[in-house]
Amino acid sequence: KQEVTQIPAALSVPEGENLVLNCSFTDSAIYNLQWFRQDPGKGLTSLLLIQSSQREQTSGRLNASLDKSSGRSTLYIAASQPGDSATYLCAVRRISSGSARQLTFGSGTQLTVLP
Amino acid sequence: DGGITQSPKYLFRKEGQNVTLSCEQNLNHDAMYWYRQDPGQGLRLIYYSQIVNDFQKGDIAEGYSVSREKKESFPLTVTSAQKNPTAFYLCASSILGGFSIFDEQFFGPGTRLTVL
Repeated sequence: KQEVTQIPAALSVPEGENLVLNCSFTDSAIYNLQWFRQDPGKGLTSLLLIQSSQREQTSGRLNASLDKSSGRSTLYIAASQPGDSATYLCAVRRISSGSARQLTFGSGTQLTVLP
Repeated sequence: DGGITQSPKYLFRKEGQNVTLSCEQNLNHDAMYWYRQDPGQGLRLIYYSQIVNDFQKGDIAEGYSVSREKKESFPLTVTSAQKNPTAFYLCASSILGGFSIFDEQFFGPGTRLTVL
């Protein structure tokens, strides 16, 4: 069974700081990994999708890396802003059959960027 | 505007009632999903459908039912058999239903269900 862990559960940083969010997973046989952002009471917004053959993906101030062999991904946010405050979730899609092939989510890291 | 809509945004249910949550997408995606989110937790898969007239149970299907009569629509019914239905429900869709490294899921805004 795939398990996804995100540490820390909450993080508070001053504006302008660069930061790293961590995601680890137990089964390295994955199709891809997605990072999402969730604002309070809202749905999820897809930030980045890293295919299993890729090492990293970039979008603006965001950079996500993937190390399948160690079962780890990181989301790097450069020059953080108060508008980045949200919960960040990672999810992996396992190479399997049936429902096991669907996304398995971590419980998220709640980020607060202080002005 | 392409996207996923869910209605209602807030829903209140009395004990013993069935309620139906709506999910519609105009992205022309084949696959659709229903998730449940409880406070401080990740999402858990309830049901998914990879094609019209077909759907599969996820990890926590007990007490829920779905239908997929049209490509655009995937309603979720929370039945009275679901013992703890108060949660945030999220609908999602993707092009390929998980068969590819390129498959990316997109989410609707969610429905918050409260049992009175």
